[in-house]
Amino acid sequence: DAGVTQSPTHLIKTRGQQVTLRCSPKSGHDTVSWYQQALGQGPQFIFQYYEEEERQRGNFPDRFSGHQFPNYSSELNVNALLLGDSALYLCASSLVRSYEQYFGPGTRLTVT
Amino acid sequence: GENVEQHPSTLSVQEGDSAVIKCTYSDSASNYFPWYKQELGKGPQLIIDIRSNVGEKKDQRIAVTLNKTAKHFSLHITETQPEDSAVYFCADWGTGNQFYFGTGTSLTVIP
Repeated sequence: DAGVTQSPTHLIKTRGQQVTLRCSPKSGHDTVSWYQQALGQGPQFIFQYYEEEERQRGNFPDRFSGHQFPNYSSELNVNALLLGDSALYLCASSLVRSYEQYFGPGTRLTVT
Repeated sequence: GENVEQHPSTLSVQEGDSAVIKCTYSDSASNYFPWYKQELGKGPQLIIDIRSNVGEKKDQRIAVTLNKTAKHFSLHITETQPEDSAVYFCADWGTGNQFYFGTGTSLTVIP
């Protein structure tokens, strides 16, 4: 049973560019959440998707957007990248009525 | 917004000793408290959790205690082993229907 997978593993972008990160949830899960984890910090909630709609959103600007597809996979898009967007981006999947989250290995984004 | 404080930030113990990590939260509506273990280059892994209607939960060498009145919860690891070395995060599910994470504790178990 495949767990949560994310791609790419690492990414280097230039300030002002746009980036798309991808996530495939654990088999059977229908809800995907995205987190930003700065170095030495705990994960910070960006948003959650269920039934292809954004259900909850954390304190992140509109430059951060997402999408969920009919197969439950998800994308995180970040526009107009800033140096401060450099972080590990984590995807977590769950069932809509469960608190238990399963995290992927993350995508390390570096903005130069 | 919700604030989860975690202490200590680093912890070193001898193999076989116990380790305790503590978190405090501020949101009275918080009702679910998980603990995650994150190894280098990996995503956080859920190791134990507790709900607000329970005071203590144990799973082999790992236990979590919750004091709702004082708004704090703790992770206890007994008989520590080198493979327990990792960064541990507490979290709570609170207002806004989202998880709030602590800042992490780097645990080193010295063989």
